[in-house]
Amino acid sequence: DAGITQSPRYKITETGRQVTLMCHQTWSHSYMFWYRQDLGHGLRLIYYSAAADITDKGEVPDGYVVSRSKTENFPLTLESATRSQTSVYFCASSESVGGYGYTFGSGTRLTVV
Amino acid sequence: DQQVKQNSPSLSVQEGRISILNCDYTNSMFDYFLWYKKYPAEGPTFLISISSIKDKNEDGRFTVFLNKSAKHLSLHIVPSQPGDSAVYFCAAPNQAGTALIFGKGTTLSVSS
Repeated sequence: DAGITQSPRYKITETGRQVTLMCHQTWSHSYMFWYRQDLGHGLRLIYYSAAADITDKGEVPDGYVVSRSKTENFPLTLESATRSQTSVYFCASSESVGGYGYTFGSGTRLTVV
Repeated sequence: DQQVKQNSPSLSVQEGRISILNCDYTNSMFDYFLWYKKYPAEGPTFLISISSIKDKNEDGRFTVFLNKSAKHLSLHIVPSQPGDSAVYFCAAPNQAGTALIFGKGTTLSVSS
């Protein structure tokens, strides 16, 4: 199916565990982004990528790692999950960095217990 | 320091009336602004944008107004419909122009 897919949709993990959230897009968009949505904070940028093997930090990168070995995939890894990382995570892709063409995935709701 | 601010967490409006959602910004160098709409359990979707060289952009029931001197923009929805009930985010490009930064969002509830 064409589009942007995030998996899993829901995840519960324990404090200290490593967890990876997956993001896959079928358009070959150059730009991909990870945001987290929290009550009272809106959407905050975690990491972004301008192309395969090019990534950079956003506003709240601590505790997260990303990679982009292929254009279509942009996984987000929490190396040692903490309760403060309980959130809804959104992946987005865009043909340009401008933001007009941002397409978001449906999100992953992560709960760290 | 939040560069894009939505100071009203929520807004309730009756069907058929006008909804006005507000957004303030601090960086006078922003080239454009966007509004995104988000339903529960879905990702945000692009709604409407405005270039900094314009003061108004209209798309059907949605109009965005930009007041550069006040560093303020607003989204008007006329007439409001129950299906407009969602969270609305104001956004602008970050300083490096590499990604969007979003406000905290305003939850709009339109009652029939």
